[in-house]
Amino acid sequence: SQQGEEDPQALSIQEGENATMNCSYKTSINNLQWYRQNSGRGLVHLILIRSNEREKHSGRLRVTLDTSKKSSSLLITASRAADTASYFCATDSSDKLSFGAGTTVTVRA
Amino acid sequence: DTEVTQTPKHLVMGMTNKKSLKCEQHMGHRAMYWYKQKAKKPPELMFVYSYEKLSINESVPSRFSPECPNSSLLNLHLHALQPEDSALYLCASSPYLTDTQYFGPGTRLTVL
Repeated sequence: SQQGEEDPQALSIQEGENATMNCSYKTSINNLQWYRQNSGRGLVHLILIRSNEREKHSGRLRVTLDTSKKSSSLLITASRAADTASYFCATDSSDKLSFGAGTTVTVRA
Repeated sequence: DTEVTQTPKHLVMGMTNKKSLKCEQHMGHRAMYWYKQKAKKPPELMFVYSYEKLSINESVPSRFSPECPNSSLLNLHLHALQPEDSALYLCASSPYLTDTQYFGPGTRLTVL
């Protein structure tokens, strides 16, 4: 079942710009994860943030988590054409992942 | 070996056929998962195995039958499927439950 809601549904940006997407969820979580999926392929794990963490960085990625608002954001800095993909947040609770609807990001050269 | 492999890549089957999807990982992970993904939708969890035992079945119809013969292998047996079961079937594994999941490339299934 889908727990997370993502915003926006789609995002189109110029190469070099930053991309920000948001995820909201409903129940308490163990952790929140972000994944990337290129068209019709498997998902690639980007970053995991635990419920007691507020911010995490990995290369050009920055993730924040606000458990009081039940929301998270993913920031991709200095975007590249290769960042074109669908991005999903996934909340981990009760030993399973529930994925949000996803944000489709298009990076224009 | 840091990947999850899935075979076949594509599968076309009739509604009366029996087929199986196969998933393999050699990372020593103890949890394995099956997901179903329709076009432009997020993955939906179907089954979770932990230490080779079925721990979660998300009310999946019995025409889908999972099997975990050993800690590296996960199968999904298909029988009497419907056209609406056409989707991308993704396998994933993780060291333990509530951990980062590693996904295979998926099997694109078409039911005629």
